[in-house]
Amino acid sequence: AQSVAQPEDQVNVAEGNPLTVKCTYSVSGNPYLFWYVQYPNRGLQFLLKYITGDNLVKGSYGFEAEFNKSQTSFHLKKPSALVSDSALYFCAVRDKHSGYALNFGKGTSLLVTP
Amino acid sequence: DSGVTQTPKHLITATGQRVTLRCSPRSGDLSVYWYQQSLDQGLQFLIQYYNGEERAKGNILERFSAQQFPDLHSELNLSSLELGDSALYFCASSEGTSGKGMDTQYFGPGTRLTVL
Repeated sequence: AQSVAQPEDQVNVAEGNPLTVKCTYSVSGNPYLFWYVQYPNRGLQFLLKYITGDNLVKGSYGFEAEFNKSQTSFHLKKPSALVSDSALYFCAVRDKHSGYALNFGKGTSLLVTP
Repeated sequence: DSGVTQTPKHLITATGQRVTLRCSPRSGDLSVYWYQQSLDQGLQFLIQYYNGEERAKGNILERFSAQQFPDLHSELNLSSLELGDSALYFCASSEGTSGKGMDTQYFGPGTRLTVL
């Protein structure tokens, strides 16, 4: 099965500091990996994706993610966190066995404090 | 704004009832996916339609069904509702033309279903 894992339920970071939200994957073949963000009472917003090519993927709102095949990881990063980045972050992988639906991690709650 | 619309935003109903959730995909998108988000199960894929035809099924209960109409909007029907069906239901759409999952799924704002 194609799956991802987010090992941290919550990440706390001070405003202005770099942030990392971790994701590891378990996939047969080449993974199609995604990051989404969910603000309270809102839908999921697409941040970025890795399909192929450069291991460093840049996305919306200053976020980026690094694909690491040897460590089977796809961590989300931002050089300088904002209070407004506080939200729930989901890593996901396309599952070729289910019509390429998204299999999501359990989510990581990011709290950025002033 | 993702361009995906869902109605209604909120739905409160009683056990045993039936409800219909509606989704309009982004202009030009042929694929529609339905997901359920609950505290205990997280985000789970329910069912996918592509250009009017069912393409894939996930963890969808037999009491649930869906369809996609010629204008590409989709409806998710939930029947014989139970307390445990209370959740946030999302619809997502994607181009669907690559056939290999490289396209991005864009999500609607969701319908929050409360079963009392």
